Amino acid sequence: DAGVTQSPTHLIKTRGQQVTLRCSPKSGHDTVSWYQQALGQGPQFIFQYYEEEERQRGNFPDRFSGHQFPNYSSELNVNALLLGDSALYLCASSWRQGATPNYGYTFGSGTRLTVV
Amino acid sequence: SQQGEEDPQALSIQEGENATMNCSYKTSINNLQWYRQNSGRGLVHLILIRSNEREKHSGRLRVTLDTSKKSSSLLITASRAADTASYFCATAANSGYSTLTFGKGTMLLVSP
Repeated sequence: DAGVTQSPTHLIKTRGQQVTLRCSPKSGHDTVSWYQQALGQGPQFIFQYYEEEERQRGNFPDRFSGHQFPNYSSELNVNALLLGDSALYLCASSWRQGATPNYGYTFGSGTRLTVV
Repeated sequence: SQQGEEDPQALSIQEGENATMNCSYKTSINNLQWYRQNSGRGLVHLILIRSNEREKHSGRLRVTLDTSKKSSSLLITASRAADTASYFCATAANSGYSTLTFGKGTMLLVSP
């Protein structure tokens, strides 16, 4: 049973460019959340998608946008990249928006984005 | 913003010793979860404790929760070198429609 799959693994972009990160949730999960983890910090919530709609959003600017497809996979888009956007971007999947009892959220291995 | 604060920030022990990490949080919660992260990669869920629970065990892990003090602890018994990782606590405000708020983590180094 595949877990959460994220692509690409690593990415280097130039300041001002745009980037798209992709996530396929664990089989049976219908909710995808995105987190940003700066070096030495804990993950910070960006937004959550359920039923193809953004349901909750953290304190991130509109440059960060997303999408969820009918097959529950999701994309995270970041426009006008800044050096400060360099981070590990983590995707987490769950069922019906909440944590599955005793199992928590299932995280992918992340996409390491470097903005130069 | 970070909800929880783990203590200590870093912990270095020998194999076979116990490791204790603490987490404090600020607002009321539905549940608290602990995650492990190896070498800056994905997070692995370790254990979830609900606000009406005080203690939970899973293998070599023991978690306690004190909602009156807004704190939790994670005990790893008989540590192994493979336990070397960063450990994060994360709180969920609601049972559903909930997102996780993470602390900054504790880096655990277990030496052979």
